[in-house]
Amino acid sequence: GQNIDQPTEMTATEGAIVQINCTYQTSGFNGLFWYQQHAGEAPTFLSYNVLDGLEEKGRFSSFLSRSKGYSYLLLKELQMKDSASYLCAVLDSNYQLIWGAGTKLIIKP
Amino acid sequence: GAVVSQHPSRVICKSGTSVKIECRSLDFQATTMFWYRQFPKQSLMLMATSNEGSKATYEQGVEKDKFLINHASLTLSTLTVTSAHPEDSSFYICSARDSGTGDTGELFFGEGSRLTVL
Repeated sequence: GQNIDQPTEMTATEGAIVQINCTYQTSGFNGLFWYQQHAGEAPTFLSYNVLDGLEEKGRFSSFLSRSKGYSYLLLKELQMKDSASYLCAVLDSNYQLIWGAGTKLIIKP
Repeated sequence: GAVVSQHPSRVICKSGTSVKIECRSLDFQATTMFWYRQFPKQSLMLMATSNEGSKATYEQGVEKDKFLINHASLTLSTLTVTSAHPEDSSFYICSARDSGTGDTGELFFGEGSRLTVL
């Protein structure tokens, strides 16, 4: 079956760095997405990786290793507004998005 | 970025009635739109893929006669929850991809519609 694993919850301190990991086992791979979702709101796009390596976009970076079925989202200089759920999603061979359950990130002052 | 507008944002209805939710791409054309449902503290669950001018593709376990999807134009898809029951209460979200970006382009999400069935 298809499976995406990410931690259920993480806690970090304002101003620090946090890395949210995602491992996946899917039928085919056409890219991996990271989305941010605040409670009660729709997800917003953060990043898309289809090639191995690190993609940096401001305070957020996303890394992909296709051979390991592994990605991480790195958040730097954490702000209180970064408290949200972070969803990892993989586009499989049929171009269907397979969603992880999300990681709830709690930022403490 | 591109905008997807979803309406209504909140709706409360009586059991047995039908509710229609609209999803519009405001500044791009979307051949394909996706409808998701999210129960509290759970991830998004894809319900169906809406294709302009043809029948929607439903995920396993989703009743196509209960969740009617119409994608009559390149900028509008509608989801109608027919004969709604309390267990249909959920957060429904649509998303769309710019037709010009292919299958790997960024997905843009609507604001979501919170349905409460009394």
